[in-house]
Amino acid sequence: SAVISQKPSRDICQRGTSLTIQCQVDSQVTMMFWYRQQPGQSLTLIATANQGSEATYESGFVIDKFPISRPNLTFSTLTVSNMSPEDSSIYLCSVLRDRNTEAFFGQGTRLTVV
Amino acid sequence: AQSVTQLDSHVSVSEGTPVLLRCNYSSSYSPSLFWYVQHPNKGLQLLLKYTSAATLVKGINGFEAEFKKSETSFHLTKPSAHMSDAAEYFCVVSDPWQAGTALIFGKGTTLSVSS
Repeated sequence: SAVISQKPSRDICQRGTSLTIQCQVDSQVTMMFWYRQQPGQSLTLIATANQGSEATYESGFVIDKFPISRPNLTFSTLTVSNMSPEDSSIYLCSVLRDRNTEAFFGQGTRLTVV
Repeated sequence: AQSVTQLDSHVSVSEGTPVLLRCNYSSSYSPSLFWYVQHPNKGLQLLLKYTSAATLVKGINGFEAEFKKSETSFHLTKPSAHMSDAAEYFCVVSDPWQAGTALIFGKGTTLSVSS
């Protein structure tokens, strides 16, 4: 298994500001991902966090809005930039040890933009 | 491209009756398939997974699912529902043969259990 610590667990932010979410894993993992879960919705993949290189973004998500860092095999950050109320969601970090195993999820960051 | 379709957005059952949550998938290759559960204000928990071994997969809390390639289905079942089963359930697909693949989630099925 993998233990994931995601911080902060929740935050209320003013529109126009930015928030950085941290994801720390207790051991090295091959892949790290960031998801968004809007109220009452399913999870949507934002991007794959690549160690030592730029993240790979899904359609509809761009680096300027959601910059991601992954400096090593156990840590990643997601920044939600220039926030608007539409960014109010739960943001989740997910990790895979290798291709054919289950994914583990952090507890999520519940973001409210006012 | 991979995708999953959860055929029911909401399923209601009585306690003690069987549960059936339906999921169809689309994948170019032999996929890995998962069911996750999310209780209110809780994190995601893996119920079970299929990764090309036995087609009938047993998971936690009495849940099981059967992989049917001919029907491209992976339905989740439980013989007898319990009140604590009320939650959101997600059918999930990934392609283990594609480098860096993430999980693709279905839209979810809300399971309600009445006494």
